[in-house]
Amino acid sequence: AQTVTQSQPEMSVQEAETVTLSCTYDTSESDYYLFWYKQPPSRQMILVIRQEAYKQQNATENRFSVNFQKAAKSFSLKISDSQLGDAAMYFCAYDLYSGAGSYQLTFGKGTKLSVIP
Amino acid sequence: DAGITQSPRHKVTETGTPVTLRCHQTENHRYMYWYRQDPGHGLRLIHYSYGVKDTDKGEVSDGYSVSRSKTEDFLLTLESATSSQTSVYFCAISPGQSQAFFGQGTRLTVV
Repeated sequence: AQTVTQSQPEMSVQEAETVTLSCTYDTSESDYYLFWYKQPPSRQMILVIRQEAYKQQNATENRFSVNFQKAAKSFSLKISDSQLGDAAMYFCAYDLYSGAGSYQLTFGKGTKLSVIP
Repeated sequence: DAGITQSPRHKVTETGTPVTLRCHQTENHRYMYWYRQDPGHGLRLIHYSYGVKDTDKGEVSDGYSVSRSKTEDFLLTLESATSSQTSVYFCAISPGQSQAFFGQGTRLTVV
């Protein structure tokens, strides 16, 4: 079974500081996508960043960046200059090919990030 | 925001009653998904669809059925609701591998 593991159920960071959320995954595929989703208290699922496995360059979106280590099957999210609005649940997800040309996202259990003023 | 609407947003129902949740999209995306979210479990896939009348089971499909008679609508049915199906349900749509868009979620309580 394909799995996604987030080993940090909760984390906290001081406002304006940097925090890194960890994610590891298990797959036998060579080409796939990885994602980080943010879920604030509003419950909305918001795509933060995505990474294509065949691209060696780490994805970056403003204050959010990833450290993608394909051989180690590791996909961590770094948030720089943390803001109060970054407080949320963060989910790592892997896009699994499930046959018939279809894909399904498999999620980790999430990391709850708190931002301390 | 992607055009995806879930209805209802909240529902309380009694054990043993049938319940249908609706997901409606205006994006004409091929793929549609139903997930449930429970504390400590993240999001788990219930069923998904890769085209009209083409559906398949996900990780936690027992007790659920789905139907997709047209591109824009994907229905999730609990034939006989149980307390273990109390959860938040999310619909998602996707044009392919690279991205998925989520609805606002439906909070279902089975009493």
